[in-house]
Formats: sequence, structure tokens, C-alpha cells
Amino acid sequence: KQEVTQIPAALSVPEGENLVLNCSFTDSAIYNLQWFRQDPGKGLTSLLLIQSSQREQTSGRLNASLDKSSGRSTLYIAASQPGDSATYLCAVRPHTGNNRKLIWGLGTSLAVNP
Amino acid sequence: ETGVTQTPRHLVMGMTNKKSLKCEQHLGHNAMYWYKQSAKKPLELMFVYNFKEQTENNSVPSRFSPECPNSSHLFLHLHTLQPEDSALYLCASSQDGGPYEQYFGPGTRLTVT
Repeated sequence: KQEVTQIPAALSVPEGENLVLNCSFTDSAIYNLQWFRQDPGKGLTSLLLIQSSQREQTSGRLNASLDKSSGRSTLYIAASQPGDSATYLCAVRPHTGNNRKLIWGLGTSLAVNP
Repeated sequence: ETGVTQTPRHLVMGMTNKKSLKCEQHLGHNAMYWYKQSAKKPLELMFVYNFKEQTENNSVPSRFSPECPNSSHLFLHLHTLQPEDSALYLCASSQDGGPYEQYFGPGTRLTVT
């Protein structure tokens, strides 16, 4: 059974710091992996989607990497800003079976302090 | 309106009430989803509709009743809810029911008293 874990659960950093959020999954047979951002009480915004054949995806100050064999993905945020404060969620889509169903982590709550 | 919209944004209801949540997507997608997000739990997929047909029901109690009249609209009808049903209910859509990127609405914060 696929399980997704995100570490740390919460993170507080000063503005300008580069940081890494971690996502691990137990079954390497994935179709893709997606990183989302959620502001308090709000819906989810898709940040990056990495297909199983890809190693990384970049969007602005965000870079997501994928290492399927080790069951890990990282989200790197460069030069963090207070506006980056949010919860970051990782979701894995299994490669087999019902691949409509995303498997979710609990998220990392990020606070970037001015 | 663009993207995925949900109404109402906040809802407080008693256990004997009947209410409905509405979701509308303006992306030309053919699949729509209802998720429940509770504190300290991963997102829970409740229902999936693909081309207006329900393709997934993840053992959701019958007090939650979905309706999808067309590919752009999705409803969640609520009746005789329990306090533990209080949560953020999120709607999402995707190109179709395959492994495509899902786009989420802002959610409805539901409180059952």
C-alpha cells in the first residue's frame, strides 16, 4: 500500500533563506508526483508535476526533484519570501491499478519570517 | 469566472439540516472530484465523476449525495450530518478521469453543530 510522508511537518525560516521540503513514498511504481501549495483555509494550487520519467521540474524559484528508486522527492525554494508562507503538499499517482487516485502526504507548514 | 469555483465558501449547519455544496469548472474538463480535508489527515477522495458518470465512491456515508448534471457542474448534497463531518470540502477537475493534473477550487469550510 502506497504511503506518502512529508518531513518536516513544520518549518520556520528567515526571509532570503534557501530551503528544502521532503516527500517520501513507499512504492516506487508511480506515474507522476505533484507538489501543491495551500494557503490557510484555501484550496490547492498546483506548483509542479513531475512525470515518472523525469528527474526534475523547475518553475521560477521552485525546483522539484524526483528519485523514484529511493522513493523521494524534494521541493527546493530559493531565496524564500514571506509570501511563500503556506502549507506544501506532495501527492503521488500510482502507476498501476486505479491511477486516478492521488495518494497524499500531510504537508509541510512553512513560515517565512520577514 | 475562471478555473474552479465553489459556493458557499463557508457553511454552518445543524445535524438535521439539508444543504448543498456547488462546484463549477470553467476549464472545459470532463472529470470532477470531491475531496474532504480534515485536520491532521491526508486529503480523502470522496467521489469521482468522468463524463457525468460516477466512477468512484470511496465508501462515503449515504448522508453525502453527489450529483453531476453536466461536465461543468458538481454538487454535494448534505443531510443529517454529524459533527465529525466538519471539514474543508474541496472540488477539483481534470481533463478526464485519467492521470491528468487536477485543478482545485477554494473549498467550502463546513461546520456541523
